[in-house]
Amino acid sequence: GAVVSQHPSRVICKSGTSVKIECRSLDFQATTMFWYRQFPKQSLMLMATSNEGSKATYEQGVEKDKFLINHASLTLSTLTVTSAHPEDSSFYICSANRFRAGNSPLHFGNGTRLTVT
Amino acid sequence: KNEVEQSPQNLTAQEGEFITINCSYSVGISALHWLQQHPGGGIVSLFMLSSGKKKHGRLIATINIQEKHSSLHITASHPRDSAVYICAGRESNFGNEKLTFGTGTRLTIIP
Repeated sequence: GAVVSQHPSRVICKSGTSVKIECRSLDFQATTMFWYRQFPKQSLMLMATSNEGSKATYEQGVEKDKFLINHASLTLSTLTVTSAHPEDSSFYICSANRFRAGNSPLHFGNGTRLTVT
Repeated sequence: KNEVEQSPQNLTAQEGEFITINCSYSVGISALHWLQQHPGGGIVSLFMLSSGKKKHGRLIATINIQEKHSSLHITASHPRDSAVYICAGRESNFGNEKLTFGTGTRLTIIP
């Protein structure tokens, strides 16, 4: 079956540093990938939609300069949390859709737990 | 008011019990997804429904488009079914795959 790989699964960083999270579709092409954030005991919140070859679309309230998204190929999207602060500590998870698959099933990465000290 | 609401928020049951989780939505959707999130955070897609009923093993999902309501059933529940179950509606516009998530139902099955 389709697999989406997300790396790293867990990261601890110091305040002020930047952290890059990768999301790869391993056996299919993904024109669109989605980045979500989840606080403890809350549901997923869409941060941005990553489109291959074009700029990401950010949800209201999400700072595009702080959460940099790059989707340079049909199998890789990256989310970089710049100048991280403790309030950025959260669970980040990506999902991907198959290329031109319309109403296709969802494929999620396993998530990245970010802790900023 | 959330556009996608789930009930109950928490559910504890004994092993073997029949489980029902409900999802009501007020947005226009092209499909509804049921997701399972394990304690480690990983999310698995269980079902994608646009009409009727689907079954996979001990899991059954139904949707009533007119009533804007979906249910997830688990038969012969087992402790390994303990997880958070999330319903999510996919918006109607083709090409816009944005999802609206319910708040999740935390299921605990006691041996």
